[in-house]
Amino acid sequence: KQEVTQIPAALSVPEGENLVLNCSFTDSAIYNLQWFRQDPGKGLTSLLLIQSSQREQTSGRLNASLDKSSGRSTLYIAASQPGDSATYLCAVSTGRRALTFGSGTRLQVQP
Amino acid sequence: DAGITQSPRHKVTETGTPVTLRCHQTENHRYMYWYRQDPGHGLRLIHYSYGVKDTDKGEVSDGYSVSRSKTEDFLLTLESATSSQTSVYFCAISEDLTVVYFGEGSWLTVV
Repeated sequence: KQEVTQIPAALSVPEGENLVLNCSFTDSAIYNLQWFRQDPGKGLTSLLLIQSSQREQTSGRLNASLDKSSGRSTLYIAASQPGDSATYLCAVSTGRRALTFGSGTRLQVQP
Repeated sequence: DAGITQSPRHKVTETGTPVTLRCHQTENHRYMYWYRQDPGHGLRLIHYSYGVKDTDKGEVSDGYSVSRSKTEDFLLTLESATSSQTSVYFCAISEDLTVVYFGEGSWLTVV
């Protein structure tokens, strides 16, 4: 059974810092990995999708990497802003049975 | 934003009553999913659909049933609601098992 772990569970940083969120998964036979953002009381918004054949994806200040063989992904956020405060979720896909999620990292960026 | 509408958004119901949550999409995506999100458990898959009248169970399907009679609608029914089914329910869609789009959630309280 696929298990996804995210570390740390919570993180508080001052504005402007670069930060790294970690995600690990137990079964390397994945189709892709996605990073999502969730604001309180809201649904999830897809940030980045990395296919299993890819090593990384970038969108603006966000960069996600994937090392499938070791079962790890990182989400790098550059020059953090208070608006980045949210919960970040990592999820892996193993086919049509949708996604297996980690429990998330709750990020607070202090102004 | 993907065109996903969940209804109702908030509901309080009594133990033992049936409840139906509706997910409506305007994207014509093939795959539709129901998740529940609970503190300490993250997001867990209840049921999913890979086409009209084609559905399958997820990891926490006991006590739930689904139906998909049209591409755009995916219904989740709690046969006889219990307090353990108090949760936030999210519908999600995907066209090709890559990017997954989520609805805004339905908050269900069973008293």
